[in-house]
Order: sequence, then structure tokens, then C-alpha cells
Amino acid sequence: GIQVEQSPPDLILQEGANSTLRCNFSDSVNNLQWFHQNPWGQLINLFYIPSGTKQNGRLSATTVATERYSLLYISSSQTTDSGVYFCAASGSARQLTFGSGTQLTVLP
Amino acid sequence: DTAVSQTPKYLVTQMGNDKSIKCEQNLGHDTMYWYKQDSKKFLKIMFSYNNKELIINETVPNRFSPKSPDKAHLNLHINSLELGDSAVYFCASSPDMGAGGTEAFFGQGTRLTVV
Repeated sequence: GIQVEQSPPDLILQEGANSTLRCNFSDSVNNLQWFHQNPWGQLINLFYIPSGTKQNGRLSATTVATERYSLLYISSSQTTDSGVYFCAASGSARQLTFGSGTQLTVLP
Repeated sequence: DTAVSQTPKYLVTQMGNDKSIKCEQNLGHDTMYWYKQDSKKFLKIMFSYNNKELIINETVPNRFSPKSPDKAHLNLHINSLELGDSAVYFCASSPDMGAGGTEAFFGQGTRLTVV
């Protein structure tokens, strides 16, 4: 099945800084999603982005399907952005395969 | 209105017991899933149902049995619980993912602790 790799595994930022999280996938995808798992354990949908670019406030995402990667940009980070960010993808199989996540800590 | 809801949110039980986790979605989706998140936060699919029929059954001990009474519900029953079953279990739903890729939504998770 599809393999999903995320980098970096850990990221520590000062409040107000910008960051880029990367997701590489091993095969063509028909679904790619970014999630934020907050400190309470909830998985929050950030983007559904199998291709192209989307923006939502301080967050934006780009998926280049032909090169098999996706990027999540966080600008002007806030302490509430802390948590684990997951990328998940599906190809021909009818299931999402998750990456191992990026643990983001934003310091005040 | 909660889109995908799981109960209970927390479950503490002794080894050897049998327990169930319930999941309901009100999104009108055709496909429902169970995922397991281990202590290192890795999320792995366990089961997938499409219109009440099992379509994915990953390598999961047969002590785990999903049941889908209708396409809005997918329950997970676990027999003879073991310490290693302690994890967070997530239910999710999506429109038929086989139709070309569609967005999945997750419940709030059930933290199972086996003592």
C-alpha cells in the first residue's frame, strides 16, 4: 500500500514564527488530508487537498501530486497551534494511511 | 451537531473483560472506519465498512469484531481484553472512498485502558 512520510518529526517555535511541514507519499493519491491533533486528542480536519493550493486563515497547504508531496504552512504561529500535525493519503485502497506526524510546540 | 460521535470517551477495564465502543455518524456517509492510535501516536486502520459490508480488515486479532447495524453506525466489540489493547480508538466516516477520493471525518476518540 501507499507509504506516507512526514518531516520534521519535532518542531519547536517561538510564537509569531512561520513553519513548513512536509509530507511525502509513495504513489499517486486520490485523497490527501492534513489534520491537527490538539492536546485533548481530537483530530481536526485542516485541509482536504489531493492537489493544488488552499488557504484558511494563517494556514495554507499545497500538494504537488506529480512530485508526490504536500506542504503545510503555518504563519504567525500561536501557542494554540501546538499539537501533532498528521498527513494522511489514500490511493487505490479505500482507506487513509497516516504519516507518523509532526509534533509542534509553540512557545510563548 | 456532532458529525461523528463515539461513546464512551474513556474506558478503563480489567484484563479478560469484554467491552464495546459505539460510533454514529450523521453525515449520510457510506463508509465508516475504525483506527487505532498507539502510545507513539501512530494511527493505523483496523476495519472499513461500506454500506454495512466489511471491505477492509487489516491484521487485527479476531478478538476484535466490528458490527454495522446500519450505515450510520459502526460498533467495535472487543473480547478478552489484553494489556496491549490499551490505546485510543477512533471512528471515522467518509462518502464512498472508492468513488475517487473523498474527505474523511473523525470522532473524538475513545481512550481504552486495560489494567
